[in-house]
Amino acid sequence: DGGITQSPKYLFRKEGQNVTLSCEQNLNHDAMYWYRQDPGQGLRLIYYSQIVNDFQKGDIAEGYSVSREKKESFPLTVTSAQKNPTAFYLCASRDRASGANVLTFGAGSRLTVL
Amino acid sequence: AQSVTQLGSHVSVSEGALVLLRCNYSSSVPPYLFWYVQYPNQGLQLLLKYTTGATLVKGINGFEAEFKKSETSFHLTKPSAHMSDAAEYFCAVSDKGRAAGNKLTFGGGTRVLVKP
Repeated sequence: DGGITQSPKYLFRKEGQNVTLSCEQNLNHDAMYWYRQDPGQGLRLIYYSQIVNDFQKGDIAEGYSVSREKKESFPLTVTSAQKNPTAFYLCASRDRASGANVLTFGAGSRLTVL
Repeated sequence: AQSVTQLGSHVSVSEGALVLLRCNYSSSVPPYLFWYVQYPNQGLQLLLKYTTGATLVKGINGFEAEFKKSETSFHLTKPSAHMSDAAEYFCAVSDKGRAAGNKLTFGGGTRVLVKP
């Protein structure tokens, strides 16, 4: 079945550590996105990539980094510079041919900073 | 920049009653409009979308939404709530055209509780 796989599902981190969240898709979608979800704030865009080897900052990129070396993969690194990293992180992808900006989401990764 | 407002962060309905979730957006040009549903500790699933044409859009699980340009609204309804409708619902908008980066802007979400 085609879809988006995020791992790990749960992650605990000590303050000052960098962590990387994995996002892999087998949908052959060109565009990929990372969102952060906090209670009552909806989803906020961290980074997005419309093609391989290219990505843009979203609304809350500070303290995060990404890479897009392969079409299938869009990992997110939460760095020690992110002051409040505890959140639920959602990866999504989009078929550029769909024309209507419909996103397909992974199941999410919950990061807790201890 | 786009903004999306969902009125009411929590809504409680009785099983069998009407579900009404409100969504207003800020764009002066009609955007693409979406409703997504999220079950606990899961990703988001598309319920329905409006792109162009008929303003009443039908989605999965018996939900529908109506685009009203004059009110900049896209409210979600279901005539009769089921226990399985308990979830969080997100309204989202996207500007048309690649220059906008095909990004979605989400509202704050509305959590629906269904009482037996």
